[in-house]
Amino acid sequence: GQSLEQPSEVTAVEGAIVQINCTYQTSGFYGLSWYQQHDGGAPTFLSYNALDGLEETGRFSSFLSRSDSYGYLLLQELQMKDSASYFCAREGGGNKLTFGTGTQLKVEL
Amino acid sequence: DTAVSQTPKYLVTQMGNDKSIKCEQNLGHDTMYWYKQDSKKFLKIMFSYNNKELIINETVPNRFSPKSPDKAHLNLHINSLELGDSAVYFCASSQVDRTGDNEQFFGPGTRLTVL
Repeated sequence: GQSLEQPSEVTAVEGAIVQINCTYQTSGFYGLSWYQQHDGGAPTFLSYNALDGLEETGRFSSFLSRSDSYGYLLLQELQMKDSASYFCAREGGGNKLTFGTGTQLKVEL
Repeated sequence: DTAVSQTPKYLVTQMGNDKSIKCEQNLGHDTMYWYKQDSKKFLKIMFSYNNKELIINETVPNRFSPKSPDKAHLNLHINSLELGDSAVYFCASSQVDRTGDNEQFFGPGTRLTVL
């Protein structure tokens, strides 16, 4: 199978750090991407990991462990505008992205 | 502006009708996609084209027919619309690059409502 699992909802306060986990099936795996989607908006690319380790882009970092079929998105110094849905997406053959069910992040004051 | 654009943004129609959604990208990408996002926000690939050639064709009813007249355009035609087709349809594009991240750029979406 190609399913991905991530928590359905996470709540955190402004300024905090939050981690969104994602586990995936390994068959035909090329890499793991993360996308952000605000309500009513389009998904936008955040990061991509093909190799094990941490990729950092500003306040956002993404981690991959291929041996554990696991990755996470780390959001630091949370801001209200970070309230959105976050999707992990597994890249397979033919550049096919299989998206997880999404994590709704709510940032509170 | 460089972007992925879709028309129309909203589409409300009756069951049984036939409708089309158009997508254009001016990013010079060679691969385009159609996704369906349901009411639970589940985002699923439907089709992808690379340089006008069909690459991915998920188990989508054959009422859905993509057409790529050139690599900058990928249209979606839907015949005999059903209630279950109500969803947001996103077009996306990417430049295939095995050394890169295959970032996909999404259009603004078309919200289809079938009555």
